[in-house]
Amino acid sequence: GAVVSQHPSRVICKSGTSVKIECRSLDFQATTMFWYRQFPKQSLMLMATSNEGSKATYEQGVEKDKFLINHASLTLSTLTVTSAHPEDSSFYICSARNPPRTAYNEQFFGPGTRLTVL
Amino acid sequence: AQRVTQPEKLLSVFKGAPVELKCNYSYSGSPELFWYVQYSRQRLQLLLRHISRESIKGFTADLNKGETSFHLKKPFAQEEDSAMYYCALSGSARQLTFGSGTQLTVLP
Repeated sequence: GAVVSQHPSRVICKSGTSVKIECRSLDFQATTMFWYRQFPKQSLMLMATSNEGSKATYEQGVEKDKFLINHASLTLSTLTVTSAHPEDSSFYICSARNPPRTAYNEQFFGPGTRLTVL
Repeated sequence: AQRVTQPEKLLSVFKGAPVELKCNYSYSGSPELFWYVQYSRQRLQLLLRHISRESIKGFTADLNKGETSFHLKKPFAQEEDSAMYYCALSGSARQLTFGSGTQLTVLP
């Protein structure tokens, strides 16, 4: 159990367009999801915390108008990269925290989405 | 502020040799420490957490508050242990802060 999916797995877009990435918890309800960004050969950097039914909390330096996060249901959070530019090219990973039966503070990760902006 | 440091980007050991992946942290409160592993072309997954004091796949990690360390150890490395290992800390906000990762290669 505790599976998190992401869609799409890869996306290539032109500069100036917007891209939406979906993160779903398949077999549990997640009131909190997280969005990370990972550059090649580097660690995961937390971008924002997505809370169901409320506004996302963004980390310092992350533009909330550029990276729109919506967590409209207990199983779905979306990240929209607006007016994408080549510097937004990266690997975006989501995670979901604490299925009801999990005793500990634990996050379950999606497989990631590779975004390439031309 | 919370910070996790993994000083080794790359670590190579021979099969059957002991392995230790270092992790040091900085946090003013009582942290939760984790080790996550990412095998080639797979997603990040939890390996172990300090709270449960468990041994997973032969790996153990002990939280040393005096040295603010949470090193990952295995007495006899196997080829299938080759992967990227991330140390992570969770503070009061229950967010994860990751170290930069260590790529472990176990040679035959």
